[in-house]
Amino acid sequence: DTGVSQNPRHKITKRGQNVTFRCDPISEHNRLYWYRQTLGQGPEFLTYFQNEAQLEKSRLLSDRFSAERPKGSFSTLEIQRTEQGDSAMYLCASSLVALQGSNEKLFFGSGTQLSVL
Amino acid sequence: AQSVSQHNHHVILSEAASLELGCNYSYGGTVNLFWYVQYPGQHLQLLLKYFSGDPLVKGIKGFEAEFIKSKFSFNLRKPSVQWSDTAEYFCAVNARGTSYGKLTFGQGTILTVHP
Repeated sequence: DTGVSQNPRHKITKRGQNVTFRCDPISEHNRLYWYRQTLGQGPEFLTYFQNEAQLEKSRLLSDRFSAERPKGSFSTLEIQRTEQGDSAMYLCASSLVALQGSNEKLFFGSGTQLSVL
Repeated sequence: AQSVSQHNHHVILSEAASLELGCNYSYGGTVNLFWYVQYPGQHLQLLLKYFSGDPLVKGIKGFEAEFIKSKFSFNLRKPSVQWSDTAEYFCAVNARGTSYGKLTFGQGTILTVHP
């Protein structure tokens, strides 16, 4: 499968625990995005990377959330001290931006469904 | 900040019926516009997009959308739906000049097509 891969597919945790999700983008894609989607809503932008640099973070991303992309390939999203309100689908997407201002097409993964009990 | 509103949460049609899904956005500047689709059990994928030029854009599987700037709308249409069009459809916008992948999505419209 050459698409965007996310692991795990499902995560159930107790309130207060830390969780970490992984996203493997399409090979050679230099941009990687994280979104969060709650039931009945569209995805909400959280953050994105160009190579290993985190270029933007949404105000939705509280201090308990941290994302990394250390080698410019896979990325991890960690949530510390999880709360019930963190329960959501966490989506990753990647894209290739070759030239300044060129069209960019996002490829989404299937997401990690987090349930905080 | 941008916002996107989709008019219908759930639309139910019979095969061969015509489809129009409403989308309105709010933003003071120039935007790029998108429709994404999520088929059951699959990931989100791009249906069509509008950046500039002809306000009537055509996408995959016979879908089209029209950008009406004066109405801040980008409605999705298909003249004759099929059972395989059953999916959730999301309208999204992106502020011109920002990363194309930084999207603001609407809440989605679930389309159910009965055979």
